[in-house]
Amino acid sequence: LAKTTQPISMDSYEGQEVNITCSHNNIATNDYITWYQQFPSQGPRFIIQGYKTKVTNEVASLFIPADRKSSTLSLPRVSLSDTAVYYCLVESSNDYKLSFGAGTTVTVRA
Amino acid sequence: GAGVSQTPSNKVTEKGKYVELRCDPISGHTALYWYRQSLGQGPEFLIYFQGTGAADDSGLPNDRFFAVRPEGSVSTLKIQRTERGDSAVYLCASSLTGGNTEAFFGQGTRLTVV
Repeated sequence: LAKTTQPISMDSYEGQEVNITCSHNNIATNDYITWYQQFPSQGPRFIIQGYKTKVTNEVASLFIPADRKSSTLSLPRVSLSDTAVYYCLVESSNDYKLSFGAGTTVTVRA
Repeated sequence: GAGVSQTPSNKVTEKGKYVELRCDPISGHTALYWYRQSLGQGPEFLIYFQGTGAADDSGLPNDRFFAVRPEGSVSTLKIQRTERGDSAVYLCASSLTGGNTEAFFGQGTRLTVV
């Protein structure tokens, strides 16, 4: 049973905000939500991690509702270079291995 | 270097041959991971090292795959009697202590078995 469900693909245009929602209905109390980004021919790169409410850094924001059964990664004002695959992961604080799904392929067009 | 380094970046080998893939983790990182990624899919866990020991090798697909990390730093993934189905990108990652700490990935080795 997959830990997370996210859209297979999303298209956007430069300057728009992109929001990717991930479902994780079976999230446990000690689980964190982490997002990774992967460009072609590169390994995944950590973007952001959160437990509840909202987390923001220089790259993105992560919104987590009170029930924590979903989360939304928000990429403000995307550019062509934000075209990548975005993975939503749910891992406990004791997990050492990451369980990746197929991710969401975000394509940004001019 | 500042990041995780993997060599070679590309490897083409004939079916049945033996290959070794090398990973240089970030200095001081005790945790090291190997993942395998096929086209259109997310990375799939292979093995996890904490220091020199393989703490979890449950993701290795069969006994043709083996990995070592003799001094707790550099790791080598070894594949014997390669098969065409082994073709994939092999990714290495390291993290400071393991657990839920951020993992840093290398650029991967693209293995093609012909």
